[in-house]
Amino acid sequence: AQSVAQPEDQVNVAEGNPLTVKCTYSVSGNPYLFWYVQYPNRGLQFLLKYITGDNLVKGSYGFEAEFNKSQTSFHLKKPSALVSDSALYFCAVKDNQGGKLIFGQGTELSVKP
Amino acid sequence: EAGVVQSPRYKIIEKKQPVAFWCNPISGHNTLYWYRQNLGQGPELLIRYENEEAVDDSQLPKDRFSAERLKGVDSTLKIQPAELGDSAVYLCASTVISGANVLTFGAGSRLTVL
Repeated sequence: AQSVAQPEDQVNVAEGNPLTVKCTYSVSGNPYLFWYVQYPNRGLQFLLKYITGDNLVKGSYGFEAEFNKSQTSFHLKKPSALVSDSALYFCAVKDNQGGKLIFGQGTELSVKP
Repeated sequence: EAGVVQSPRYKIIEKKQPVAFWCNPISGHNTLYWYRQNLGQGPELLIRYENEEAVDDSQLPKDRFSAERLKGVDSTLKIQPAELGDSAVYLCASTVISGANVLTFGAGSRLTVL
């Protein structure tokens, strides 16, 4: 069965510092991996996805994620955090045969000035 | 283009009452999802439609929840009767086809059951 784990409930970063939000997954076959962001009282917004190819994926707002097949991880990164990046971040996985998108529990990112 | 539209945004009801949520997906999107998001948790899939067919409803509590997608466009999710534990945000999402395409989410319908 598919599953996604986000081991950190909360990540605190100072503005201007690099940030990492961790995600590991379990799926049969090759995965499709996604990151979404959710601001208060808003729906989820797509950030980036990995399907195949280059392990480093670039997305919206300066975010990027690195796919590591051996570690079954897909960590979200940004070189320099902004206060406006503070939000709830969700990792999601879909196997390449079905249509079910499974989400992790979410990580709350807090960026302080 | 208009995004995924959901209504109502907020609903407060007493337990045992019925409630319904409506979703209008992006035009041309044939795949529609209903998710439930509990406070502090990730969204959990309730049901997925390909056009008007429910292709995955394994997570839908069928004793009290029902859903329909008439004509493969709009969708309605109903709860009858509601229980205290149904308090959550109900999210609708759509995409062109399944596979690796990105889901576009609506703003959600927040249900409070008293």
